[in-house]
Amino acid sequence: KAGVTQTPRYLIKTRGQQVTLSCSPISGHRSVSWYQQTPGQGLQFLFEYFSETQRNKGNFPGRFSGRQFSNSRSEMNVSTLELGDSALYLCASSLGGQVGSGNTIYFGEGSWLTVV
Amino acid sequence: GESVGLHLPTLSVQEGDNSIINCAYSNSASDYFIWYKQESGKGPQFIIDIRSNMDKRQGQRVTVLLNKTVKHLSLQIAATQPGDSAVYFCAENIGRGAQKLVFGQGTRLTINP
Repeated sequence: KAGVTQTPRYLIKTRGQQVTLSCSPISGHRSVSWYQQTPGQGLQFLFEYFSETQRNKGNFPGRFSGRQFSNSRSEMNVSTLELGDSALYLCASSLGGQVGSGNTIYFGEGSWLTVV
Repeated sequence: GESVGLHLPTLSVQEGDNSIINCAYSNSASDYFIWYKQESGKGPQFIIDIRSNMDKRQGQRVTVLLNKTVKHLSLQIAATQPGDSAVYFCAENIGRGAQKLVFGQGTRLTINP
């Protein structure tokens, strides 16, 4: 079956603009989380959604937000973009409930965002 | 705060040799750990995982060892191949059942022919 799908794969935005990234989880997966990857900070957790509710949140400013739809697809939005928001944004999905062997976390290929 | 760190940022091994990638974690409450492989321009690819009630888990050519006493995790790759060249991350789930991974810095593994 198809893996985690993220769109768009690449995009360039200007400082001050906003951006929306989309994620379609693996079929049957109900939990979706988002991560930011940069050379300086590595992989950092943004937030996690399950059944359209945010269950966990990382230490990012309020400019970073997300949502999940009834079909488990998710979007994240970054408003008032800053140069430091340039990063690879990764989406991950799992079945939901207790993560563990047999219910692990799979990543998509990511969306490369460049802010100029 | 919680963190997962790696002892070595780079590792170079000969093709066919075994490699060991190490990871230290700090959250004693974490009960689930995952190793990911990331190739250039791609997302992290699941390799193997282990729950805290286990010490060892084996997959195809890979073995993960967990030492909870010293909060140490390792990934062993047997008979390395050129395709094993990548950055390897250990991740610790601190979401108490839900998804919330804390990643290590990563180790770049290079396989020499």
